[in-house]
Amino acid sequence: EVQLVESGGGLVQPGGSLRLSCAASGFTFSNYWMHWVRQAPGKGPVWVARINGDESSTSYADSVRGRFTISRDNAKNTLFLQVSSLRADDTAVYYCARSSNYRDTSAYYYDYWGQGTLVTVSS
Amino acid sequence: DIQMTQSPSSLSASVGGRVTITCRASQSISIYLNWYQQKAGKAPKLLIYAASTLQSGVPSRFSGSGSGTDFTLSISSLQAEDFATYYCQQTYNTPPDTFGQGTKLEMK
Repeated sequence: EVQLVESGGGLVQPGGSLRLSCAASGFTFSNYWMHWVRQAPGKGPVWVARINGDESSTSYADSVRGRFTISRDNAKNTLFLQVSSLRADDTAVYYCARSSNYRDTSAYYYDYWGQGTLVTVSS
Repeated sequence: DIQMTQSPSSLSASVGGRVTITCRASQSISIYLNWYQQKAGKAPKLLIYAASTLQSGVPSRFSGSGSGTDFTLSISSLQAEDFATYYCQQTYNTPPDTFGQGTKLEMK
């Protein structure tokens, strides 16, 4: 059974940092692109960052580029998101998600999500 | 970035009824449109990918259609567990992939 379990969220002051983790099990972790998606209270999901299986490719949303860093440890089946220089508008539930590609295209869908970890930025 | 617009933002329906939710992309996205269901306090759940392919385990009362810029999600014979918020997502032109603002389906 595929499982994704996030941890590391919490209350942090503006300008602070956190390291979010996502422990994966039930599949060959290194074979999949992984993503972080966040959802502010009462809002829709927003893609944050993605990383390919061997860590050779990463991408970020404009709103977090330069402040957030996505990484992974394939030996430990774990995805990370280092979040720094946090602002109030970074307050959200952060989900990790696995993507699978549609046939032989670059289009994908999120077939598994974690339960999320809440990051609250407030003084 | 491609903008995704859902309509309506909310709707009410009765158990046993049928509803249709629309999603429009700001430019053509071929068939690369996914639909998710989200219940309060839970992660989104994949229902349909590539516009019309039902994810394994999803009931057949859910169906999707469309291509280009206009897409629909239909739910027939509504069940109590279907009342939730629904989101569309494009992955044709990434990064970033982008979601619609959501459609909240409430029980009448």
